[in-house]
Amino acid sequence: GAVVSQHPSRVICKSGTSVKIECRSLDFQATTMFWYRQFPKKSLMLMATSNEGSKATYEQGVEKDKFLINHASLTLSTLTVTSAHPEDSSFYICSARDSQSGTYEQYFGPGTRLTVT
Amino acid sequence: QKEVEQNSGPLSVPEGAIASLNCTYSDRGSQSFFWYRQYSGKSPELIMSIYSNGDKEDGRFTAQLNKASQYVSLLIRDSQPSDSATYLCAVPLSSASKIIFGSGTRLSIRP
Repeated sequence: GAVVSQHPSRVICKSGTSVKIECRSLDFQATTMFWYRQFPKKSLMLMATSNEGSKATYEQGVEKDKFLINHASLTLSTLTVTSAHPEDSSFYICSARDSQSGTYEQYFGPGTRLTVT
Repeated sequence: QKEVEQNSGPLSVPEGAIASLNCTYSDRGSQSFFWYRQYSGKSPELIMSIYSNGDKEDGRFTAQLNKASQYVSLLIRDSQPSDSATYLCAVPLSSASKIIFGSGTRLSIRP
């Protein structure tokens, strides 16, 4: 149980284009999902908390107009990197919390490696 | 003071020995504590959760919690080369839904 998928696992895009990353909870419902970014050999950085049916909560310093988050259902959240630039190249990881569990445990997706050329 | 602190390592332990990973946290209201393992190039994987003071054992892993000292640790017995990874301590904020992660301790098991 508690499986989270992400798609795509790896994407290469040209500078100026937009990329959408999907995060799905496969066997549980998640009213809350989280989006992280991680640079090589660095720690996880929380970008935003995605709330089903409402606006995402962004961490300080994260541009909400650049990183668009949509959480339209209890099993799907998407992150769109708009007008991507090479400095957006990173490992993007989502996590989800089981709404029914009553705990704060988060389960991570396998991550999406974004390269902007 | 950081909200969740860990020694970055690397911590080098011989195969078969006990690896001890430590974590301190600042939010006295925290009630849940997690350990995640992250292999290089992969996403974190939840390996232990602990909610009460004392020890919790799961196979070769033991989590230890001391809320009075705001300290949580992870012991790995009979360390194997496959245990070589970065271990992240994670503590949910009592005031919000998000989890604060430590920067991780890199563990290396030498044959």
